[in-house]
Amino acid sequence: DAGVIQSPRHEVTEMGQEVTLRCKPISGHDYLFWYRQTMMRGLELLIYFNNNVPIDDSGMPEDRFSAKMPNASFSTLKIQPSEPRDSAVYFCASSLGGLAGGHYEQYFGPGTRLTVT
Amino acid sequence: QKEVEQNSGPLSVPEGAIASLNCTYSDRGSQSFFWYRQYSGKSPELIMFIYSNGDKEDGRFTAQLNKASQYVSLLIRDSQPSDSATYLCAVYTGTASKLTFGTGTRLQVTL
Repeated sequence: DAGVIQSPRHEVTEMGQEVTLRCKPISGHDYLFWYRQTMMRGLELLIYFNNNVPIDDSGMPEDRFSAKMPNASFSTLKIQPSEPRDSAVYFCASSLGGLAGGHYEQYFGPGTRLTVT
Repeated sequence: QKEVEQNSGPLSVPEGAIASLNCTYSDRGSQSFFWYRQYSGKSPELIMFIYSNGDKEDGRFTAQLNKASQYVSLLIRDSQPSDSATYLCAVYTGTASKLTFGTGTRLQVTL
């Protein structure tokens, strides 16, 4: 398997522009997670899906952020409008089963490095 | 108080020595504890998890859990330069499938 695929790998945009990050989870995995990593705050969970349904979006920082999972093989994280403080590395991860069921391994994608100027 | 705390480091150890990485957590209801390794510019990868008090060993890695004192440690024996990375501690509190991560400890293994 190719692992979790994310695109683009790098994104540089100007403040106020819309940014869309994409993720393809590992085939057969029913959980998908979006994380954001910064030096100051570390790795933070933004939202996660189970069977394409958003389960917990309490980590989404504000209404400018939205995430969708239209099918089992694709998810997007959108920021509109983007701001310089959104600059971070955004990771997508997937797992076969959830933590509550003892499925502990989350497989991370390579990440998207977002820079908002 | 942060939910999961780690010393940011860097922790520098000579090759062949034991590296000891520590993590404290605030939620007494935390159930499972994870150590992820992250090389510079790469994504995190799971190296160990532990959910009961005591030690769990896997090769050169040992995870130690003390729930009464609310800390978890990772020991790396016979440290190698390839172990140089940032080690992230993560905690599962039983809230659905959410992991809470610390900010990581950077480990440098010197020749």
